[in-house]
Amino acid sequence: GQQLNQSPQSMFIQEGEDVSMNCTSSSIFNTWLWYKQDPGEGPVLLIALYKAGELTSNGRLTAQFGITRKDSFLNISASIPSDVGIYFCAGAGNTGKLIFGQGTTLQVKP
Amino acid sequence: DADVTQTPRNRITKTGKRIMLECSQTKGHDRMYWYRQDPGLGLRLIYYSFDVKDINKGEISDGYSVSRQAQAKFSLSLESAIPNQTALYFCATSVGIAVAETQYFGPGTRLLVL
Repeated sequence: GQQLNQSPQSMFIQEGEDVSMNCTSSSIFNTWLWYKQDPGEGPVLLIALYKAGELTSNGRLTAQFGITRKDSFLNISASIPSDVGIYFCAGAGNTGKLIFGQGTTLQVKP
Repeated sequence: DADVTQTPRNRITKTGKRIMLECSQTKGHDRMYWYRQDPGLGLRLIYYSFDVKDINKGEISDGYSVSRQAQAKFSLSLESAIPNQTALYFCATSVGIAVAETQYFGPGTRLLVL
């Protein structure tokens, strides 16, 4: 079945630093989504990407849908303590089902 | 009020017990999903339903069953709970217009099977 590899698995950074994480797939996706999960809560959508090559920003977050349709990255600029959480990529093909990456746990040191 | 609610939020049960997790939504979405989350494994799809009369198995349906009682309600049952079903369970919904859509998640149910 389809699989997503998300990296890095975890990051511990200093406040103010930029962060980059990515996902790669063994197969093509039509949609890439990036979610954030705060402790004790469900994932919340950050950015949705629907077109190969698309680059989309949401405040300090920027995500891109790879040209090959098999990868996506998420950048966070000038990190702040409330960026702490688990970030998930998710891809969807033609079935309507989302396939999730394993998650990147981000910790920010003030 | 939250758009997607899950009950209970936390549950401790014993091996062999039957347990039901419930999900309700006020978003008016047709599609509903159940996932489990385990550390280092992300979210894995258990069952999903694209409308009231539709039930589909996901990636890890063994040991689980579901019921779509209404458009707004989708419950997950563990007929005979076992310890490796200890996990965080999430319900999600989506509109049902496009093939691949944004999903909206509930707050989760933390289940411990002793």
